[in-house]
Amino acid sequence: GGIITQTPKFLIGQEGQKLTLKCQQNFNHDTMYWYRQDSGKGLRLIYYSITENDLQKGDLSEGYDASREKKSSFSLTVTSAQKNEMAVFLCASSMDRGDEQYFGPGTRLTVL
Amino acid sequence: QQKVQQSPESLIVPEGAMTSLNCTFSDSASQYFAWYRQHSGKAPKALMSIFSNGEKEEGRFTIHLNKASLHFSLHIRDSQPSDSALYLCAVSHTGGADRLTFGKGTQLIIQP
Repeated sequence: GGIITQTPKFLIGQEGQKLTLKCQQNFNHDTMYWYRQDSGKGLRLIYYSITENDLQKGDLSEGYDASREKKSSFSLTVTSAQKNEMAVFLCASSMDRGDEQYFGPGTRLTVL
Repeated sequence: QQKVQQSPESLIVPEGAMTSLNCTFSDSASQYFAWYRQHSGKAPKALMSIFSNGEKEEGRFTIHLNKASLHFSLHIRDSQPSDSALYLCAVSHTGGADRLTFGKGTQLIIQP
């Protein structure tokens, strides 16, 4: 088995601040994903990456950057935090694009 | 853009009864259909997936897919308190789990 670790667990930032969320997986999976989960809404895909140094935009990529410098890690940057994007950010990985996704425990973002 | 809707939003079922959860989707070219379960404060976890019309059973869980009516469902036989969770349906127009579009979820409570 493997595990997905997300850091930090809780992230508090000021409006307009640049914030970075990190995700590590030891499954040796090729594909990694970032989702946002708002209260009362489903998961929305922000970015995904099918291999090291690859980036693909999801439906909600505006206002975010991502980076996949190593196979095992995928980071997400909120370029200018806004109060309406307080949510839980979930990282996931899968062996390749077509396989079941395994999720991390999430980072809860609060913007003051 | 794919629209995925779940019903009901919340559901209370007595222990031992059958639970039925519904999901409709808008893109008739969709090829992959899945259910994820998320216990409170935990990561979503894949439950079952299906590619073609019909049904698939795994233990107490059955998934039904009717592509013509743009509908699939999850049925839980002999529902247990440990089944209480948020259930998310997900759809992809590709042959696998990449570019998943999730519904908003059904909050299920199994009452002992």
